[in-house]
Amino acid sequence: GAGVSQSPSNKVTEKGKDVELRCDPISGHTALYWYRQSLGQGLEFLIYFQGNSAPDKSGLPSDRFSAERTGGSVSTLTIQRTQQEDSAVYLCASSFPTSGGSSYNEQFFGPGTRLTVL
Amino acid sequence: EDQVTQSPEALRLQEGESSSLNCSYTVSGLRGLFWYRQDPGKGPEFLFTLYSAGEEKEKERLKATLTKKESFLHITAPKPEDSATYLCAVRSATDPLNYGGSQGNLIFGKGTKLSVKP
Repeated sequence: GAGVSQSPSNKVTEKGKDVELRCDPISGHTALYWYRQSLGQGLEFLIYFQGNSAPDKSGLPSDRFSAERTGGSVSTLTIQRTQQEDSAVYLCASSFPTSGGSSYNEQFFGPGTRLTVL
Repeated sequence: EDQVTQSPEALRLQEGESSSLNCSYTVSGLRGLFWYRQDPGKGPEFLFTLYSAGEEKEKERLKATLTKKESFLHITAPKPEDSATYLCAVRSATDPLNYGGSQGNLIFGKGTKLSVKP
């Protein structure tokens, strides 16, 4: 597809269950980002992958959150033992590298997964 | 601490009534200021990137400007279809990982919700 895709679009789960959210970035984009958008809050950075390097996990709110990226493309965000405060829209974005590293490319976002924890 | 503040939180305009949205930022070394538009239930859509004070960019009825402390998104003669939430984000020079190309996460403001009435 032409853009970033995410699945599922909506996920309702019970407190304590594990969930997996999927992101398919734009073909050729080596950088992939996960953000969380809670009601009334700005987008909150979670994790960042760049190529085959170790990810930047500095935004993950707790050890219940993890993410992986297989083959430098598709990424899965996993939330274990979900809590009600995990309810939010989870957004994935991707970007392609610049030449020379002197400028910084925009990120293209997917439509998000709306997670509701009951 | 890097921070982005957007004002006003909400703005109601009549069709054709020009106005401006503000994005104030504090960052340890600006490596790009980004404007996005977000429609309900969708991911943010990229509008502009500004890199240095004095830079301006235009797209249809929108014009973005940048100073050393803030950015403005000017909307000239808005139409109802311009109604959306406008997000401002910055990328800091304080990157935890030293990659070439795209580097690091974006820090977002909470957005300005614009409503344009016919």
